[in-house]
Amino acid sequence: DVKVTQSSRYLVKRTGEKVFLECVQDMDHENMFWYRQDPGLGLRLIYFSYDVKMKEKGDIPEGYSVSREKKERFSLILESASTNQTSMYLCASKGGLSYGYTFGSGTRLTVV
Amino acid sequence: QKEVEQNSGPLSVPEGAIASLNCTYSDRVSQSFFWYRQYSGKSPELIMSIYSNGDKEDGRFTAQLNKASQYVSLLIRDSQPSDSATYLCAVNRAGGFKTIFGAGTRLFVKA
Repeated sequence: DVKVTQSSRYLVKRTGEKVFLECVQDMDHENMFWYRQDPGLGLRLIYFSYDVKMKEKGDIPEGYSVSREKKERFSLILESASTNQTSMYLCASKGGLSYGYTFGSGTRLTVV
Repeated sequence: QKEVEQNSGPLSVPEGAIASLNCTYSDRVSQSFFWYRQYSGKSPELIMSIYSNGDKEDGRFTAQLNKASQYVSLLIRDSQPSDSATYLCAVNRAGGFKTIFGAGTRLFVKA
């Protein structure tokens, strides 16, 4: 069964900390994505990558960066965590542009 | 106007009934359309993809697309309590990476 694996299910971090969220897929997909999901705001795209070492900003990239050193791994970095970054973070991948996503199980991040 | 609009619900149907979920989109060049199911506290799961006008059936699910009316729907036949979830409509623009999600419709299936 194809999988997108996020390293942590729940995280609690302090304001100002640097936070790393890891995502690994085993489907040999070129395209990987980071979303956050908040009540009332829905799914919002943070960053995506269509190839190794390539990245593109999504709708809400401020305060985030990403790294894609290997095809299977896409990391989201919160440079200096703030309370307004408390959210559910979802990693997703897809093979072709016209295909649907396979999502990871999500990381619920709380910044205190 | 939102790019992808769904009735937030909740939509409540009795067990065994047909649940009808609707979605409209604003960008006429959209080419790929998806329905995701999301259980409370879980991540979205792709359940249907549709690319051309008409109906596409997969088990108890039927997706319907009408590009002229910019309308896509999901029918769930013989609804079960396990179908209770939020259903997200999503639309891909032609040639682009961007997927636009609707806010979702909450469905309750009463036993």
